[in-house]
Amino acid sequence: DAGITQSPRYKITETGRQVTLMCHQTWSHSYMFWYRQDLGHGLRLIYYSAAADITDKGEVPDGYVVSRSKTENFPLTLESATRSQTSVYFCASSEGRALDEQYFGPGTRLTVT
Amino acid sequence: KNQVEQSPQSLIILEGKNCTLQCNYTVSPFSNLRWYKQDTGRGPVSLTIMTFSENTKSNGRYTATLDADTKQSSLHITASQLSDSASYICVVRRIHTGTASKLTFGTGTRLQVTL
Repeated sequence: DAGITQSPRYKITETGRQVTLMCHQTWSHSYMFWYRQDLGHGLRLIYYSAAADITDKGEVPDGYVVSRSKTENFPLTLESATRSQTSVYFCASSEGRALDEQYFGPGTRLTVT
Repeated sequence: KNQVEQSPQSLIILEGKNCTLQCNYTVSPFSNLRWYKQDTGRGPVSLTIMTFSENTKSNGRYTATLDADTKQSSLHITASQLSDSASYICVVRRIHTGTASKLTFGTGTRLQVTL
């Protein structure tokens, strides 16, 4: 089915472990984004990508790594997970123009113990 | 500092009643404002977008208003239904140069519609 998907939907990991969250979209949108959503905060941008092989930092990039070798995929890696990275992570995509909507995936709930 | 503040934080209303959610922003220079609905356990979905020249826009039972002079927006829900129970997020985009995403998200209003 067309759309934007994330995997896994739920993940529990231990402090210090590496974790990769996957994001896949079927619209061939140029732009893809990673956000985290925490209580008391609006969605905060971690990283974004304007096209394959082009990525840039957002508001809260520390502790995260991204890559985009293919237009449709935008994985997010926590190199050494910390408890402060416990959050719900959303991937989004859009064409990137000012009036374009960002389409969000269903989210990944990550717990770091 | 570019900020988006929403009120109330949460709201409980009876099914069939109307309600209005508020969004105040300091984002500048303003490009557009979008209201999203986020159901529990799902990603946000856009309800409507307001540009600088638009004062009112409706999408079914949802009506958004924008006063660009006072930097305020509201989302009015008419004849609420149980399915309206969700968080409503106000997102303001500022005019920018370059490729960086320039969205500022509010923390949302959590609406619960009860019988």
